[in-house]
Amino acid sequence: EAGVAQSPRYKIIEKRQSVAFWCNPISGHATLYWYQQILGQGPKLLIQFQNNGVVDDSQLPKDRFSAERLKGVDSTLKIQPAKLEDSAVYLCASSFTVGTSGGASETQYFGPGTRLLVL
Amino acid sequence: ELKVEQNPLFLSMQEGKNYTIYCNYSTTSDRLYWYRQDPGKSLESLFVLLSNGAVKQEGRLMASLDTKARLSTLHITAAVHDLSATYFCAVVRFGGATNKLIFGTGTLLAVQP
Repeated sequence: EAGVAQSPRYKIIEKRQSVAFWCNPISGHATLYWYQQILGQGPKLLIQFQNNGVVDDSQLPKDRFSAERLKGVDSTLKIQPAKLEDSAVYLCASSFTVGTSGGASETQYFGPGTRLLVL
Repeated sequence: ELKVEQNPLFLSMQEGKNYTIYCNYSTTSDRLYWYRQDPGKSLESLFVLLSNGAVKQEGRLMASLDTKARLSTLHITAAVHDLSATYFCAVVRFGGATNKLIFGTGTLLAVQP
């Protein structure tokens, strides 16, 4: 079974430039997540989609970050304009379901990440 | 606000020794995950613990959950170099239509020969 795919793997940009990341979740997974992982910290959820709808974007800096999942499969995360503090690894994850019953179907599987450096 | 703390943050241990990583969290939850992250790699799911008293074991790793104490442990038995990685616990925060994973700070484990 193919895992979560992300591209690009690395990106270096100057501050105030724009950048976009792409994610393709595991086939059949309805829920997709974008996380930001700053060096030395655990991942922090930015946005969560259920199919093509947003269910949680409370920690997304909406003045500069945007994300979409138009057909309920692939997703893109955009930063415009980028700041120095946006330097981090951006992880995409997917799960089969999300709910309150627990179990392996809600386990999140992570992609390899995109390493962003803002100069 | 749910906070998740791990200790130690860094652990250097010799091969063959045993040790435990602790994960404390601040509000009620009965679902917790352990993930492993190798340098420059993504996160790999190790265990999901779904109830109070849950215990899971895989190879030299054993995880347990005490929801009353709001504590999970990851025990390493007879460590080997291949276990060197960063280990994260992540606690589920329930919230209406969606659940959110709150990650701990991570424990960097270095197993020395």
